[in-house]
Amino acid sequence: DVQMTQSPSSLSASVGDRISITCRASQGISTDLAWIQQKPGKAPKSLIYAASSLHSGVPSKFSGSGSGTEFTLTISSLQPEDFATYYCQQYKIYPWTFGQGTQVQF
Amino acid sequence: EVQLVESGGGLVQPGGSLRLSCAASGFTFSNYAMSWVRQAPGKGLEWVSSISGSSALIYYADSVKGRFTISRDNSKSTLYLQMNSLRAEDTAIYYCAKDGATSPVIIFDSWGQGTLVTVSS
Repeated sequence: DVQMTQSPSSLSASVGDRISITCRASQGISTDLAWIQQKPGKAPKSLIYAASSLHSGVPSKFSGSGSGTEFTLTISSLQPEDFATYYCQQYKIYPWTFGQGTQVQF
Repeated sequence: EVQLVESGGGLVQPGGSLRLSCAASGFTFSNYAMSWVRQAPGKGLEWVSSISGSSALIYYADSVKGRFTISRDNSKSTLYLQMNSLRAEDTAIYYCAKDGATSPVIIFDSWGQGTLVTVSS
């Protein structure tokens, strides 16, 4: 199975900060990577697919980059509603796998 | 607006069975693959199973293969997950998720609110 490893596991930030989360795949997955946000007690919400394409309605403060084995999610100008856990997910190789999550807290 | 509403969760004893449903609306259900993703209490997301729009393609995680069966009724716009031989480690919130294509590409663009399954004696 493709192991997805996120770093950091948690981070503390302030309103207005620009933050980045890294996701590493144990083998190359091209750009077949998604980023998913989950707020406490809520359902997941998909943010990004194909490593850098935003889903409809997702604000442009979210951006993704990377290919192969290393990927980054960047959130510019962090707002209180961005307090959440973020997961990366690969869909290149069966079985499809998620990272362990990165908790963004204030 | 896409809506996915799961139901059927509850408390079940080890070895028991449960059938989850996911009622879909706001899109042409038969045109899209669907999946189940679960989340154990305090843990991360785990892909469980996926089915293509026509039901021709079906995939399972090894952890549920042989015990869970995914199916769909396109006439009712409903996705199902039949869960048999349940174990304590199956305890989780189960989410249904809509894919972005007819065949499973596992790019989820919409999620339901989830239904909790608790396996305990």
